[in-house]
Amino acid sequence: AQSVAQPEDQVNVAEGNPLTVKCTYSVSGNPYLFWYVQYPNRGLQFLLKYITGDNLVKGSYGFEAEFNKSQTSFHLKKPSALVSDSALYFCAVRDIGQAGTALIFGKGTTLSVSS
Amino acid sequence: DTGVSQDPRHKITKRGQNVTFRCDPISEHNRLYWYRQTLGQGPEFLTYFQNEAQLEKSRLLSDRFSAERPKGSFSTLEIQRTEQGDSAMYLCASTFGGNEQFFGPGTRLTVL
Repeated sequence: AQSVAQPEDQVNVAEGNPLTVKCTYSVSGNPYLFWYVQYPNRGLQFLLKYITGDNLVKGSYGFEAEFNKSQTSFHLKKPSALVSDSALYFCAVRDIGQAGTALIFGKGTTLSVSS
Repeated sequence: DTGVSQDPRHKITKRGQNVTFRCDPISEHNRLYWYRQTLGQGPEFLTYFQNEAQLEKSRLLSDRFSAERPKGSFSTLEIQRTEQGDSAMYLCASTFGGNEQFFGPGTRLTVL
């Protein structure tokens, strides 16, 4: 069965510091991996994805994520956090071999950036 | 606006009433998904359509829930005889080609 774990309910960082939001996954085949961000009372906004190729993926708003197959991880990173990055972040996965199937989401990590 | 839209944004209903939500996907997207999100959880899959065909339903989708996508365009999600446990945010997403899904703003349902 596919699953996603986000081990931290909340991550706190100071503005200007680097941030990391952790994600590990489990799929039977090769993964498609995604990060989404959700602001209060809003839908999910796509940040970035990994399908194949370079393990370091760059996305919107200066975010990037590193795919690590041996550790089955896909951690979200940003070199310098902004207060406006404060939001709820979700990691999601689906099996490449199962076209059209739904995404499996983690429980989410609340990122709080202090000024 | 060319994104996914959902209507209504908020719905308050009494237990036992029926409710219907609408989702308009991005126009060229052939796949449409419904998810449910409760407080402190990530979205959970309910059902998905490829064009007008409903291809998969989650075990979360009890027989009180029904979804349609006539003509492969907009979709509706109906909940009959609502229960307090149905209170959640209902999210719609669409995609073409099965990669990243684009989400609408959601419909927040409160069952009193």
